[in-house]
Amino acid sequence: EPEVTQTPSHQVTQMGQEVILRCVPISNHLYFYWYRQILGQKVEFLVSFYNNEISEKSEIFDDQFSVERPDGSNFTLKIRSTKLEDSAMYFCASQHRDRPQETQYFGPGTRLLVL
Amino acid sequence: GDSVTQMEGPVTLSEEAFLTINCTYTATGYPSLFWYVQYPGEGLQLLLKATKADDKGSNKGFEATYRKETTSFHLEKGSVQVSDSAVYFCALSDEGGYNFNKFYFGSGTKLNVKP
Repeated sequence: EPEVTQTPSHQVTQMGQEVILRCVPISNHLYFYWYRQILGQKVEFLVSFYNNEISEKSEIFDDQFSVERPDGSNFTLKIRSTKLEDSAMYFCASQHRDRPQETQYFGPGTRLLVL
Repeated sequence: GDSVTQMEGPVTLSEEAFLTINCTYTATGYPSLFWYVQYPGEGLQLLLKATKADDKGSNKGFEATYRKETTSFHLEKGSVQVSDSAVYFCALSDEGGYNFNKFYFGSGTKLNVKP
């Protein structure tokens, strides 16, 4: 069964450093998402992406964050200058069609720790 | 705004016990409702979903009925197994407005099943 993959599974970085989290969505999906979960809190929406553009972003997704689909398969989340509060589990998701009934398929997550 | 509230965990049960995890929601439109499960070290996997009122989603012995009158989507299983130990997330996707691609998650309920 097709699945969403994410790399790395864990990343430790120093505050102020740039990190890039990578995702490979399911191949025939067109809609891509990033979510995050701070330990003990809800899974929160960060950004949605379609047709090489951001379609929606949350208040969390400030100028320090960016997303890119650099080729036909990868979907990346970049944090330019990490803060302590960026420590969280980051989930990538993909969806075939943009209908509320459609399942979003999630990757296993990248656990980011900012020291 | 849209939101999901689910019961606090952890929930600890003995094998073959009956499981209920409560989930209620607030939505501005006509949401689709989902239960995702996260096994240790893995990503969020779709467990079941329901896309309109009175629909029942079911999978692997789990069931949940979309109750519009009580705005609820409680997860149930008649006889849990040790292998059901995981974190369960209730989520909604709303058809209203421009935000229908965004999933709203509950905080997750950890289930521990003892032999």
